[in-house]
Amino acid sequence: GENVEQHPSTLSVQEGDSAVIKCTYSDSASNYFPWYKQELGKGPQLIIDIRSNVGEKKDQRIAVTLNKTAKHFSLHITETQPEDSAVYFCAATVSGGYQKVTFGTGTKLQVIP
Amino acid sequence: ETGVTQSPTHLIKTRGQQVTLRCSSQSGHNTVSWYQQALGQGPQFIFQYYREEENGRGNFPPRFSGLQFPNYSSELNVNALELDDSALYLCASRNQGGNEQFFGPGTRLTVL
Repeated sequence: GENVEQHPSTLSVQEGDSAVIKCTYSDSASNYFPWYKQELGKGPQLIIDIRSNVGEKKDQRIAVTLNKTAKHFSLHITETQPEDSAVYFCAATVSGGYQKVTFGTGTKLQVIP
Repeated sequence: ETGVTQSPTHLIKTRGQQVTLRCSSQSGHNTVSWYQQALGQGPQFIFQYYREEENGRGNFPPRFSGLQFPNYSSELNVNALELDDSALYLCASRNQGGNEQFFGPGTRLTVL
């Protein structure tokens, strides 16, 4: 089955700096890669996603890159703010008869004011 | 547009008991998935329902079962609770033809 590895597990940055979180996946059939932000006591919130036919996608301060050949994808947050502090999860999805989603183990991001 | 809602928010049960968790999908969404999230881990896929039928399942035993109703709301039932079943249970909904799924706030289950 699919295996998704996520690094680092914790990340501390100064406010205004950039943060990068990296994930690798094993199943070449995965074709959709969402990223979620989870705040304490809440469910995961979709923040950005990318499909396998696209190499990069950007939405304001957040960008995601995908390298299908190497089977890795990354989340980039620029100009970090204290409200970006949360746990971030990557996921790899195989879309077929049903959507099989495998999550990474999460990255706890702390933005220091 | 109403988001995904779940009830109850917290629940405490003892080992061997049975529990039912409920989920109302986001307006317009016909597919519901359930996930188990242990403390400090990513969500693990339990199963997915579409048109009131289970059409996908992760590595969970048969004592985890579910239902989907005509209004697309859903239930997760867990029989013979074990201590390791303590976790946050998340419901997510989407349209069958789309990829984006949206999560509810979860139900925190504690098994003593």
